[in-house]
Amino acid sequence: GENVGLHLPTLSVQEGDNSIINCAYSNSASDYFIWYKQESGKGPQFIIDIRSNMDKRQGQRVTVLLNKTVKHLSLQIAATQPGDSAVYFCAETKDTGGGNKLTFGTGTQLKVEL
Amino acid sequence: GAVVSQHPSRVICKSGTSVKIECRSLDFQATTMFWYRQFPKQSLMLMATSNEGSKATYEQGVEKDKFLINHASLTLSTLTVTSAHPEDSSFYICSASTGTGRDTEAFFGQGTRLTVV
Repeated sequence: GENVGLHLPTLSVQEGDNSIINCAYSNSASDYFIWYKQESGKGPQFIIDIRSNMDKRQGQRVTVLLNKTVKHLSLQIAATQPGDSAVYFCAETKDTGGGNKLTFGTGTQLKVEL
Repeated sequence: GAVVSQHPSRVICKSGTSVKIECRSLDFQATTMFWYRQFPKQSLMLMATSNEGSKATYEQGVEKDKFLINHASLTLSTLTVTSAHPEDSSFYICSASTGTGRDTEAFFGQGTRLTVV
């Protein structure tokens, strides 16, 4: 059917500021979570992952926080750059493996303003 | 990371015709491949899971006779959209993994933009 009026949530940040993108996941049995970045017209790119036995994981300029109590995931991007402009999706799965079926969240459009 | 290639990246076809999309793992053997569909400004929705040498498992609401999936080798899976209609216009994305279960990874292709006119 036709989907009218659907909009991705948008986060606008100034270049150099920190960005925080949030995601609520649905399945309390999920034990592995991944953040993906998707640029226009391209497939998703892996950014960072976290297992359910952790509550924080850091990468290069990115940090993922997991709150299992409220089923919430966040992605923090430090010193946001224009190249970070994209849609960001969280994904969840079971059995701690990305090779399993992934359920994607709704996505957030990040716009970096100069 | 490993490379997954989709072909074509864009295709336009006439209503009623069929179109085939290929998904190849270039530098690893993919025992499992996933096919997703993404409408504009929406998330990725899993259509089906295919394991090499066996029939694909389709998600609820996805017509298996319309979206034919073949995973005949460890490096190639194809999705054929049969009797395409304008409402099938979408972005189709595959991912490939070395297996399922713990400590596996999935690698995504660059997607195929299908436009049915």
